Amino acid sequence: NAGVTQTPKFQVLKTGQSMTLQCAQDMNHEYMSWYRQDPGMGLRLIHYSVGAGITDQGEVPNGYNVSRSTTEDFPLRLLSAAPSQTSVYFCASRKAGGRADTQYFGPGTRLTVL
Amino acid sequence: AQTVTQSQPEMSVQEAETVTLSCTYDTSESNYYLFWYKQPPSRQMILVIRQEAYKQQNATENRFSVNFQKAAKSFSLKISDSQLGDTAMYFCGRTGTYKYIFGTGTRLKVLA
Repeated sequence: NAGVTQTPKFQVLKTGQSMTLQCAQDMNHEYMSWYRQDPGMGLRLIHYSVGAGITDQGEVPNGYNVSRSTTEDFPLRLLSAAPSQTSVYFCASRKAGGRADTQYFGPGTRLTVL
Repeated sequence: AQTVTQSQPEMSVQEAETVTLSCTYDTSESNYYLFWYKQPPSRQMILVIRQEAYKQQNATENRFSVNFQKAAKSFSLKISDSQLGDTAMYFCGRTGTYKYIFGTGTRLKVLA
């Protein structure tokens, strides 16, 4: 199992550009989430999904879109990048059915918006 | 807002010594799980230890143990016999409906 994979690992954008951060998991997990990590702020939830076709907003959803067409994939889209979106982004997944299930994280994407 | 608070932004400990990282949380739920994740310089998030709220016995994983005080909503992490490889950012958190809720992290440095 590859676990949770994210691409790219690093990305530099100019203000106003759009891009998609890719996330995939091969563990057949129902729940997937996107977080951003900023110094002094910890990990903040952007969007999450409880299954294919079902997504919901987290704590900091503005400026980001998600979709979940398959169980495996959960891409995060930045429609018009802003410097405030400079951050490290983590995708995570876990099984449904119990809070005891461990959440697995991808390796992260470091995004810089100039 | 239901939050997780880590009041120690940075800590340091001598190699082989013991260190305790603090964490408090807020929740109105009766059943939940608490956890500590470690993030070394590689940036990978690694689960260190997990505690079920309805279990009174404190969880232990080798050199890592927790002090869980449910009434006080406190969940501290004790690292015994600290090693250089324990140098990392540590995040405390709890489960919520469909979500994990994290604190702001404590950066731990183990000194040789």
